[in-house]
Amino acid sequence: DADVTQTPRNRITKTGKRIMLECSQTKGHDRMYWYRQDPGLGLQLIYYSFDVKDINKGEISDGYSVSRQAQAKFSLSLESAIPNQTALYFCATSLAGQGNNEQFFGPGTRLTVL
Amino acid sequence: EDKVVQSPLSLVVHEGDTVTLNCSYEVTNFRSLLWYKQEKKAPTFLFMLTSSGIEKKSGRLSSILDKKELFSILNITATQTGDSAIYLCAVANAGGTSYGKLTFGQGTILTVHP
Repeated sequence: DADVTQTPRNRITKTGKRIMLECSQTKGHDRMYWYRQDPGLGLQLIYYSFDVKDINKGEISDGYSVSRQAQAKFSLSLESAIPNQTALYFCATSLAGQGNNEQFFGPGTRLTVL
Repeated sequence: EDKVVQSPLSLVVHEGDTVTLNCSYEVTNFRSLLWYKQEKKAPTFLFMLTSSGIEKKSGRLSSILDKKELFSILNITATQTGDSAIYLCAVANAGGTSYGKLTFGQGTILTVHP
């Protein structure tokens, strides 16, 4: 059941390269999120978007940018990748409205910056 | 700044043991607390709690919230090797432009040996 998909699933790149991670969803959710996960640090919020015209910075947005091309698509870019951006990246979605706090996660993208 | 702290950070038990995972939080405007299980890749939803003292239960897993003392516990009885995973606790904010935004704890790594 691939309601939230991420591409690529794995990526190895070099320092200084521009990288784009893509997320698509078929759940019809308004809200989309990008997280990174490092060992021992749980999930840290990079950016989130509550609708196509709404983009908000999360806890760790430095070095990243995003684009919400459509309700179903939310891309994360690393303009000039650096080694400490090596991590597991997750996209998530949720439904707007009272009580709808559950977020649904994509399968993740493992990014290695050499 | 919202904060979620989980303990222990890791736990090793044998099949059949009962475990209790802890989650304490500080949040400016509490909406709900969520538990997720993360096995190989994407976190999957377990429970959402909004009211104190009401236990949520699913099979051998149960969870309860104490909004006065600002913590939640996740209990797993009669553990099985399939329970081995990272368990993530997250708190949803109810305030303004942060509504629905989740703050995650570091996670508890549970390992169940046969």
